[in-house]
Amino acid sequence: QQQVKQSPQSLIVQKGGISIINCAYENTAFDYFPWYQQFPGKGPALLIAIRPDVSEKKEGRFTISFNKSAKQFSLHIMDSQPGDSATYFCAARRYGGSQGNLIFGKGTKLSVKP
Amino acid sequence: DAGITQSPRHKVTETGTPVTLRCHQTENHRYMYWYRQDPGHGLRLIHYSYGVKDTDKGEVSDGYSVSRSKTEDFLLTLESATSSQTSVYFCAISADRADYGYTFGSGTRLTVV
Repeated sequence: QQQVKQSPQSLIVQKGGISIINCAYENTAFDYFPWYQQFPGKGPALLIAIRPDVSEKKEGRFTISFNKSAKQFSLHIMDSQPGDSATYFCAARRYGGSQGNLIFGKGTKLSVKP
Repeated sequence: DAGITQSPRHKVTETGTPVTLRCHQTENHRYMYWYRQDPGHGLRLIHYSYGVKDTDKGEVSDGYSVSRSKTEDFLLTLESATSSQTSVYFCAISADRADYGYTFGSGTRLTVV
């Protein structure tokens, strides 16, 4: 019930294409779903986040789509650029729980080819 | 990363030796976390702290202990390092439980030989 399942493990996209990373969860008590971006040698950094009361959130070229009934959410990167090459982690959190800490997916390594 | 520093950045140690990693923050945030990152496992929570001297276990706490004697410092200790603890360790901070945007440090790469 605490897991967040992320796919694919790795993704290669051509410059200008759309990158799509998917996550699924089981715990319906989760109430916050962030995505983190990590470059080699750096710590993860918050990219974009969504709450389950909305179905989509867009920030520039990055969009989160959220399907509450299916318990799935995804990250879409439009017009992917080589600078987007990084590892992406989805996460989920249950506010007010015994721990209330973020639970991360296993990550997706994105490579954008020029 | 601004406001959070991990030390050392790299360390090689021998099996059976104690190791302490340090996380220092200048943000005066209440919550601090230690994660480990391994290929195929993502980020897994080791321990976290919700105040000075207040700590709790995460999902992979066996073999690790933590201490927080000051708001700004959160120490992770491997009492007797094993090869399975070779990993990259990240510290993160957040202001309060409603602050969902964790700030991560740059990590410590630990190799146990």
